[in-house]
Amino acid sequence: KQEVTQIPAALSVPEGENLVLNCSFTDSAIYNLQWFRQDPGKGLTSLLLIQSSQREQTSGRLNASLDKSSGRSTLYIAASQPGDSATYLCAVSPRNNDMRFGAGTRLTVKP
Amino acid sequence: GAVVSQHPSRVICKSGTSVKIECRSLDFQATTMFWYRQFPKQSLMLMATSNEGSKATYEQGVEKDKFLINHASLTLSTLTVTSAHPEDSSFYICSAPPGQGLTEAFFGQGTRLTVV
Repeated sequence: KQEVTQIPAALSVPEGENLVLNCSFTDSAIYNLQWFRQDPGKGLTSLLLIQSSQREQTSGRLNASLDKSSGRSTLYIAASQPGDSATYLCAVSPRNNDMRFGAGTRLTVKP
Repeated sequence: GAVVSQHPSRVICKSGTSVKIECRSLDFQATTMFWYRQFPKQSLMLMATSNEGSKATYEQGVEKDKFLINHASLTLSTLTVTSAHPEDSSFYICSAPPGQGLTEAFFGQGTRLTVV
């Protein structure tokens, strides 16, 4: 059964810092991996989607990498801002119709 | 991207009553919809998979008689929490998976259910 782990569970940084969020998964036979942002009491906002054949995706200040063989993905946030404060979720699709989520990393960016 | 509309966004109900949550695909036809539940500070957990025109598939430990799922059309899937208890208070969210014309999963806005 696919297990998804996110480290750290919580992270607090001063504004302007670059940071890395980690995601690991136990079954490398994935279809894709997706990073989401979730604000308190809100739904999910998709940030980046990496297909299994890709190694990284970039969007603005965000960069996500994928290493299927080692079962790892990282989300890099450059020049963090207070508005980046949220919970970041990593989710993998073992096949093309299901997703397994990590518990998330709660990020706080202090002004 | 595709739009999945989920209503209501928040609902407070009394113990013993039933609550229906709707999830609509606005610009595509969804043959499959996933329903997730998220307790505070925990991960999203898959509850069940609804399939248009057939019975839903429930994950282990999810009571099918308590969480009624209906997917009667290609644009509407509903989750009804029956005889709600305070421990059912949670965040419920639906998702249309890749395939069915989609390249990635799209999520509804989520429903915060509070049972008092």
